[in-house]
Amino acid sequence: GEDVEQSLFLSVREGDSSVINCTYTDSSSTYLYWYKQEPGAGLQLLTYIFSNMDMKQDQRLTVLLNKKDKHLSLRIADTQTGDSAIYFCAEAVTGGGNKLTFGTGTQLKVEL
Amino acid sequence: DTEVTQTPKHLVMGMTNKKSLKCEQHMGHRAMYWYKQKAKKPPELMFVYSYEKLSINESVPSRFSPECPNSSLLNLHLHALQPEDSALYLCASSQGASGTKRAGELFFGEGSRLTVL
Repeated sequence: GEDVEQSLFLSVREGDSSVINCTYTDSSSTYLYWYKQEPGAGLQLLTYIFSNMDMKQDQRLTVLLNKKDKHLSLRIADTQTGDSAIYFCAEAVTGGGNKLTFGTGTQLKVEL
Repeated sequence: DTEVTQTPKHLVMGMTNKKSLKCEQHMGHRAMYWYKQKAKKPPELMFVYSYEKLSINESVPSRFSPECPNSSLLNLHLHALQPEDSALYLCASSQGASGTKRAGELFFGEGSRLTVL
C-alpha cells in the first residue's frame, strides 16, 4: 500500500524546536520529501532525502529517516511564527512514474 | 523565472457551464501535473503530462479534460461539474524523470479555487 500517515496538529512556542513525523508503508520508495503549504497558497518544497540516507541537514531543517521502521521526521530548529503552515511528507516510488504520494499533513501552529 | 502561474485564482460556475483552468511555466520543465485539494487534505493527483503526452490519468471523471498545448502550458477543461468538485486545483511542474530526485521536486502554482453551485 501507499498510505502515508502524519499526526494532524502540532503546537509549539516560538524559539522551540518542532518535530513533525511521518510513517509510510511502501518499502520501495526512493526519495522522500517535505513540502510546506501556507494558507491560500500552493505547496513549496522544503527538502528531500534519498532512501539510502539516514539524515540530512539543511540550515534549520533536519530530516531523519528510519528505513527499517518506515519513519521519516522533520525537525525545525528555532521555530518562528512564519513556520506556521501545513507540512506534508511525500514519497516517490520506483517505477511509479512521476507520481508522489502525499501524507495526510500536519498543521503546525507557532505561538508567541 | 521559477514560477508556475495559474489563472483564474477564483472561479464560480454552475453545473451546466463550461470553463477552463490555465497553467503556465517557463522553467523548461517537461512534466506538468494537475492536483485537486480539498480543505485540510493532501493534494490528490489527477493527471500527469510528460513531454506533452498524458502519462498518468488517476481515473478522473470525464467531466475533467486536460490539455497540454505545448511544453509551457497546461489546461484543465471543466464541463458539467458537480458541487462535490468544488476544491482548490493545483498545477505543478517538475524537471526530472521518474526515479530521479528531481521527479519529486514539484513547483506548485498558487491554485485556482473552484466553487460549483
